Amino acid sequence: AQKITQTQPGMFVQEKEAVTLDCTYDTSDPSYGLFWYKQPSSGEMIFLIYQGSYDQQNATEGRYSLNFQKARKSANLVISASQLGDSAMYFCAMRDIRDDKIIFGKGTRLHILP
Amino acid sequence: NAGVTQTPKFRILKIGQSMTLQCTQDMNHNYMYWYRQDPGMGLKLIYYSVGAGITDKGEVPNGYNVSRSTTEDFPLRLELAAPSQTSVYFCASSYGQGGQETQYFGPGTRLLVL
Repeated sequence: AQKITQTQPGMFVQEKEAVTLDCTYDTSDPSYGLFWYKQPSSGEMIFLIYQGSYDQQNATEGRYSLNFQKARKSANLVISASQLGDSAMYFCAMRDIRDDKIIFGKGTRLHILP
Repeated sequence: NAGVTQTPKFRILKIGQSMTLQCTQDMNHNYMYWYRQDPGMGLKLIYYSVGAGITDKGEVPNGYNVSRSTTEDFPLRLELAAPSQTSVYFCASSYGQGGQETQYFGPGTRLLVL
């Protein structure tokens, strides 16, 4: 069965510093996709970045990058030069290509300090 | 192009009442999903659909029913509301399988069962 684990319930980071949010996953399927979403206090879900299991390079989207370590089943989100607006809940998610379900981790609440 | 819309935005139900949460997408997406998010928690998949006429259970389907008679609509039915169903419900859609197929989320329905 698929499983997503986010071990950091909360983090405090100084503005302009880089931050790494941890995500590990478990699946027996060789084909899968990994997502990160941001949920600000307003409640909407905002897609940040995607990594496919067969992608050779780590995904990047602006200040967001995904540190994909397939052998360790790790898909950490890195935010460079953090901003106050980055304060939010961050969710890691995985799609099992075989059955199309997308499951989410419990999330990490990130607080950016001025 | 409205994306994914959900109605109502907020609802209070008495124990034992029933209701239908509406979800509509105008992006011609094949895949649609229902999640619930309990306070301070991640999203749990209730049901999903890979196309009109096809639905499947997610992680927490008990107490809910769905139907998918059209590509656009994916209503979620609660038959006998219980306090444990107090949650925020998100509907999401995506185009299809594989690739960078992120989900687009609706704004959510906040449900309180008393």
